[in-house]
Amino acid sequence: AQSVTQLDSHVSVSEGTPVLLRCNYSSSYSPSLFWYVQHPNKGLQLLLKYTSAATLVKGINGFEAEFKKSETSFHLTKPSAHMSDAAEYFCVVTGGSGGYNKLIFGAGTRLAVHP
Amino acid sequence: EAGVTQFPSHSVIEKGQTVTLRCDPISGHDNLYWYRRVMGKEIKFLLHFVKESKQDESGMPNNRFLAERTGGTYSTLKVQPAELEDSGVYFCASSQPGLAGKNIQYFGAGTRLSVL
Repeated sequence: AQSVTQLDSHVSVSEGTPVLLRCNYSSSYSPSLFWYVQHPNKGLQLLLKYTSAATLVKGINGFEAEFKKSETSFHLTKPSAHMSDAAEYFCVVTGGSGGYNKLIFGAGTRLAVHP
Repeated sequence: EAGVTQFPSHSVIEKGQTVTLRCDPISGHDNLYWYRRVMGKEIKFLLHFVKESKQDESGMPNNRFLAERTGGTYSTLKVQPAELEDSGVYFCASSQPGLAGKNIQYFGAGTRLSVL
């Protein structure tokens, strides 16, 4: 069965410093992996996706993630945090026996950005 | 282009009452999904429509939940009778069929359901 583990429930950074949100996945198949972000009172927005092409994936707003099969990880990074990055981030896996329609979410990581 | 729209944004009901949530997908999207986030837990898949047909309802918690998508456009999710444990945020998403892994789901802002 597929699963996703987000290793930190809360991350706090200062504006202008790097962001690292960690995600490990478990899948018996070649997964598709996503990062979604939810700002307060907004819908879930797709940040980036990995679908077996390049292992380093660039997304919106300067975020990127690297698929590492040997480590079963898909960590999200950004070189310099901005106040507007404060939100909740979800690592998501799909594929395998459940098909590509059922998204499996991690528990979420709340990112706080301080001035 | 309008995104996925959910109504109401927030609903407060008493245990035993009935509530109906509505989702309007992005125009032209054949796939429609419902997900739920109960307090403190992960967002969980409930079901998947392709046009008006239920493709996968493996995540529906019990028979108090009924989802419909008549005509293959908007969808409703009815909870009858509502229980305390049904409280949470209900998300709707839609997508167009595509190559495996490229089926990007676009989400609405969710309906926050509070059962008292």
